Amino acid sequence: RKEVEQDPGPFNVPEGATVAFNCTYSNSASQSFFWYRQDCRKEPKLLMSVYSSGNEDGRFTAQLNRASQYISLLIRDSKLSDSATYLCVVNRRGSGTYKYIFGTGTRLKVLA
Amino acid sequence: GAGVSQSPSNKVTEKGKDVELRCDPISGHTALYWYRQSLGQGLEFLIYFQGNSAPDKSGLPSDRFSAERTGGSVSTLTIQRTQQEDSAVYLCASSLDGAYTFGSGTRLTVV
Repeated sequence: RKEVEQDPGPFNVPEGATVAFNCTYSNSASQSFFWYRQDCRKEPKLLMSVYSSGNEDGRFTAQLNRASQYISLLIRDSKLSDSATYLCVVNRRGSGTYKYIFGTGTRLKVLA
Repeated sequence: GAGVSQSPSNKVTEKGKDVELRCDPISGHTALYWYRQSLGQGLEFLIYFQGNSAPDKSGLPSDRFSAERTGGSVSTLTIQRTQQEDSAVYLCASSLDGAYTFGSGTRLTVV
């Protein structure tokens, strides 16, 4: 089992729809969590950090459920420009260092 | 610089040749990471440098891969005797305390 798992998709949704992705992680020692966005043939870019209390940034809402070991990303009022791959990232301590563990990403296509 | 800079942006090499990939992190960022991403795949961790600590090399796929970070700044990833399966985008990221910033990567093609 992978340490960070995501549904690869693609999720095909019409413009204006609400879409949600989940990401599960297996290591309970994981300490911080992020969502990154990656456009085709581009590098990943930070979308938002995920806080225990949940956080919102415009149309994007991220939540963390430590008990069930998953994080979620909700996108409201989807735009064509939201089409991308969304990477779930878990930061945990191992062998004396911290490092990011990436999920393989969920592909979103917003259709006109 | 303002961002993470990687060079070259594209590299085509013959099988069996050695290649060097360079990463210039954001000034002041103490942590530097190398990942690689094959076409349509997720990011695969390679190596992590943090300050003066010994690097975490646990992700290097074979002893053909090595990396250095000189003076706590610029890093070089070296792949010896390249194989076709080494073809991928090699991404460098740096961090001060928390979120990573990625460079635009080096696209390596081994022919």
